[in-house]
Amino acid sequence: AQKITQTQPGMFVQEKEAVTLDCTYDTSDQSYGLFWYKQPSSGEMIFLIYQGSYDEQNATEGRYSLNFQKARKSANLVISASQLGDSAMYFCAMREGGSGDSNYQLIWGAGTKLIIKP
Amino acid sequence: EAGVTQFPSHSVIEKGQTVTLRCDPISGHDNLYWYRRVMGKEIKFLLHFVKESKQDESGMPNNRFLAERTGGTYSTLKVQPAELEDSGVYFCASSQLAGPQHFGDGTRLSIL
Repeated sequence: AQKITQTQPGMFVQEKEAVTLDCTYDTSDQSYGLFWYKQPSSGEMIFLIYQGSYDEQNATEGRYSLNFQKARKSANLVISASQLGDSAMYFCAMREGGSGDSNYQLIWGAGTKLIIKP
Repeated sequence: EAGVTQFPSHSVIEKGQTVTLRCDPISGHDNLYWYRRVMGKEIKFLLHFVKESKQDESGMPNNRFLAERTGGTYSTLKVQPAELEDSGVYFCASSQLAGPQHFGDGTRLSIL
């Protein structure tokens, strides 16, 4: 069964608009972590934001915020005021188990290719 | 601080040959991970080192893949003999404890 689902293979967004990238997940663990990474065309994988399953507040990092809806098992990434440099692949990933566990492997979604139009 | 570095950035070899990929983690990061993205598929976990010990190697596809991290610093991933289906991008990442994993630029491996 798919553990991380990103339903949008590609998106076009006008510069300066906000964009929401969808991510739903499936786990039976009570403790888990959710991550978003950005991969520009140059290939490097850049960590953007993290949300722990027990975190009560939605995570924010600058223009990035994570809309965490635990009951719906969704962890959408919101980018405010998009810029041309935001054009990239975006991956949602999950780590099952808490930080006290030894299993740190990330389970990945298929990614969303975001293109910002000038 | 220097990030995760991977070498080479690209490798093109023929089926049956051997290739060794290297990863230098961020200094002080005990946790080191290897992932792989095969064309058109999702990124998949290969294995996880804590210092020099293999914590989890459940993602290693078969015994043609050998990962080492002698001394708990840099790691190597050797593929011997390489097969066509091994083509893809191999990423290395490192982290402190269970914190965010910081990735290298990847090695693009092409098997002809």
